[in-house]
Amino acid sequence: AQKITQTQPGMFVQEKEAVTLDCTYDTSDPSYGLFWYKQPSSGEMIFLIYQGSYDQQNATEGRYSLNFQKARKSANLVISASQLGDSAMYFCAMREGPTGANSKLTFGKGITLSVRP
Amino acid sequence: DTGVSQNPRHKITKRGQNVTFRCDPISEHNRLYWYRQTLGQGPEFLTYFQNEAQLEKSRLLSDRFSAERPKGSFSTLEIQRTEQGDSAMYLCASSLFGQSSYNEQFFGPGTRLTVL
Repeated sequence: AQKITQTQPGMFVQEKEAVTLDCTYDTSDPSYGLFWYKQPSSGEMIFLIYQGSYDQQNATEGRYSLNFQKARKSANLVISASQLGDSAMYFCAMREGPTGANSKLTFGKGITLSVRP
Repeated sequence: DTGVSQNPRHKITKRGQNVTFRCDPISEHNRLYWYRQTLGQGPEFLTYFQNEAQLEKSRLLSDRFSAERPKGSFSTLEIQRTEQGDSAMYLCASSLFGQSSYNEQFFGPGTRLTVL
């Protein structure tokens, strides 16, 4: 089974509206971390937000928030008040095991987001 | 610029040639990672170092691939006898293990390899 699943086709959102990008994951490890990265057309991966498996609250970073539903193994990214500069590929990634024990990230295939003016 | 840098940004080579890429991490970062990204896919882990020690290698890293981080600072990734299937973006990332609770990785701009 795929460890990270991102199945949405290209997403479109109107400027200033909110959008949710879906991510489901699969792991048997009780300790893990979930990351979202943004990749604009320039190619560089930009870290957005992190959620640990033991975190009690959903993570938030500015306009980004993570809707973490542990029982459903989902970690959806919510972008509020979309801006034209949010147009990019968005990747969900997972680190299995506690921080430090295993650093490698497993990425999903990504979702293309286009923000319309 | 204090981010992760990679050189060259683009490399075109003929099948069978050897290529070498360089990654300079954020200066105080002790962990360095290599990923490969093909078109339409997410990055795939290749290998990572803590200081100069190579701690893990993916099965994707065939014997034609070798990575080094000799002094615990910059790293090189060499591909010998390149094949067309090696065409991809090679991404380097670094992190400072122990600084934050989640050890986020900071990525460089990548080296795009095209094998003709």
